[in-house]
Amino acid sequence: GESVGLHLPTLSVQEGDNSIINCAYSNSASDYFIWYKQESGKGPQFIIDIRSNMDKRQGQRVTVLLNKTVKHLSLQIAATQPGDSAVYFCAENQTGRRALTFGSGTRLQVQP
Amino acid sequence: ETGVTQTPRHLVMGMTNKKSLKCEQHLGHNAMYWYKQSAKKPLELMFVYNFKEQTENNSVPSRFSPECPNSSHLFLHLHTLQPEDSALYLCASSQKEGGAHTGELFFGEGSRLTVL
Repeated sequence: GESVGLHLPTLSVQEGDNSIINCAYSNSASDYFIWYKQESGKGPQFIIDIRSNMDKRQGQRVTVLLNKTVKHLSLQIAATQPGDSAVYFCAENQTGRRALTFGSGTRLQVQP
Repeated sequence: ETGVTQTPRHLVMGMTNKKSLKCEQHLGHNAMYWYKQSAKKPLELMFVYNFKEQTENNSVPSRFSPECPNSSHLFLHLHTLQPEDSALYLCASSQKEGGAHTGELFFGEGSRLTVL
């Protein structure tokens, strides 16, 4: 069946380093992807999105890369800060579906 | 402040109790959602409402009963729950159903439910 999954459950990085969080998806009809950040005790918050007609999109300190050939999505965080410590979820949707499907999440730990 | 407010933030109930979770969105959105978040599991979609009409029930047991009196308010009525129903219940809204073509879902901070 369709699934959205994350390669690593926990990622530990040093403050100031770049972080890369990966996500695989299985639905070849997916045409929209989002990354969410969830801090402890809070609901998920939107970080960045990308549509399937693009392969890269940049935000402030974040970049999302989409490789449709291998059905892979990644989130790159530049100069990771302690405030970036959270669980990161990828999610996908396809035109006509009623809601996003989420991956299981990767915990990012930033070491000072 | 996310624009989506959930109450209560924490709820402890016995298996025979009846309680309700409330969600209110102040964003003028037309679609609202209930998601369940359990430890080490992906967010699971439960229900979708679009313009107050339920458009998706993702095989949720009848002990969970949603209600959407208008586009700004969403309830989840709980009755005869099981301990395995303990989880964080997240409400979300989006301008249009699907949350895709207008950008994103906006989530509340969740109601942490513990069933004893």
